[in-house]
Amino acid sequence: QQQVKQSPQSLIVQKGGISIINCAYENTAFDYFPWYQQFPGKGPALLIAIRPDVSEKKEGRFTISFNKSAKQFSLHIMDSQPGDSATYFCAASAGGQNFVFGPGTRLSVLP
Amino acid sequence: DAGVIQSPRHEVTEMGQEVTLRCKPISGHNSLFWYRQTMMRGLELLIYFNNNVPIDDSGMPEDRFSAKMPNASFSTLKIQPSEPRDSAVYFCASSRRTRGVYTFGSGTRLTVV
Repeated sequence: QQQVKQSPQSLIVQKGGISIINCAYENTAFDYFPWYQQFPGKGPALLIAIRPDVSEKKEGRFTISFNKSAKQFSLHIMDSQPGDSATYFCAASAGGQNFVFGPGTRLSVLP
Repeated sequence: DAGVIQSPRHEVTEMGQEVTLRCKPISGHNSLFWYRQTMMRGLELLIYFNNNVPIDDSGMPEDRFSAKMPNASFSTLKIQPSEPRDSAVYFCASSRRTRGVYTFGSGTRLTVV
């Protein structure tokens, strides 16, 4: 029940396209859902996060969509750029502590 | 702010040797986390501290692993004796407990040969 599932494992998108990464969870106590972006040789960095009281959050080209009833959330990257090529992790926590991370999605944006 | 500082960045050691990884969290952050990242298992939480006190070490794989946080500005993760299957990137992260935002260090890439 502590798991967060993430798909796809890898994703290739053309420049200007939309990248979509999906996550699902089981633990209804989770109340905070961040996405982290990791470049090679670096640690993961917070990209955007959402709480379950809203269904969507947008920051620039990045949008989180959240479906509480389905226990699913997704990251949409609009107008994807080669600089977005990285590994993306969804995560979940209860009470803001002890995050559970998804297995990651390796995104490649082709120029 | 210099961020979370980890040392060394790379460590190559022989099987059976003791390895010590170090972490300096961001000043003012009172939670510290040690993660291990591998291709097979992704990001695994090993242990975390709140206010220098270990809260959950259930992710520590074996007794060969130990972690300490003697003060608010320093933590170590020790592996003794090291084995080839310990090869991974080890990340330290810190947060303000109520904010729920982790800041990760750049990691230590450990190779045990």
